[in-house]
Amino acid sequence: DAGVTQSPTHLIKTRGQQVTLRCSPKSGHDTVSWYQQALGQGPQFIFQYYEEEERQRGNFPDRFSGHQFPNYSSELNVNALLLGDSALYLCASSPTGQPARTFGSGTRLTVV
Amino acid sequence: QKEVEQDPGPLSVPEGAIVSLNCTYSNSAFQYFMWYRQYSRKGPELLMYTYSSGNKEDGRFTAQVDKSSKYISLFIRDSQPSDSATYLCAMSAPLLSNQGGKLIFGQGTELSVKP
Repeated sequence: DAGVTQSPTHLIKTRGQQVTLRCSPKSGHDTVSWYQQALGQGPQFIFQYYEEEERQRGNFPDRFSGHQFPNYSSELNVNALLLGDSALYLCASSPTGQPARTFGSGTRLTVV
Repeated sequence: QKEVEQDPGPLSVPEGAIVSLNCTYSNSAFQYFMWYRQYSRKGPELLMYTYSSGNKEDGRFTAQVDKSSKYISLFIRDSQPSDSATYLCAMSAPLLSNQGGKLIFGQGTELSVKP
């Protein structure tokens, strides 16, 4: 049983560019959330999607947006990239109503 | 003040030692408590999940939650070199609350178990 899969695994972008990260949740999971993890820090909540709608959002600017598709997969979009956006971006999924999350291996984004 | 405080370590112990990892928190609304293990270049992996106060044991791992003190712990018995990783505590408010749905993580404690 495949867990949470994320693509790409690594990405290098130039400041000011836009990036799209992708996530397929674990089978049977319909809730997807995204986290940003800076080096040496714990993950920070970006937002959560359920039934194709953003249900909750953390303290991230509007440059961060997302989408959930009918098959529960999700995308994270970041516009106008800043050097400070360099981090590991983690996708997590869960069944409805379950607080524990299953995480993917992440996408490591480097902004130069 | 951060909502969740965790000593970042690093913590180095000999193989076979008992390891104690701890987190404190300030938000009394938290009801779900988790410990994740994260190996280098990997995503966090759920180790233990506890609802409200009490103890939970799973093999060599024991999780404790003391809501009155806003303090949670993870104990690892007979530690092994394969336990070397970063351990993250995470917490969540009730899912139907306006804070529910998101996990708040500690900074993570880097553990090294030496053979």
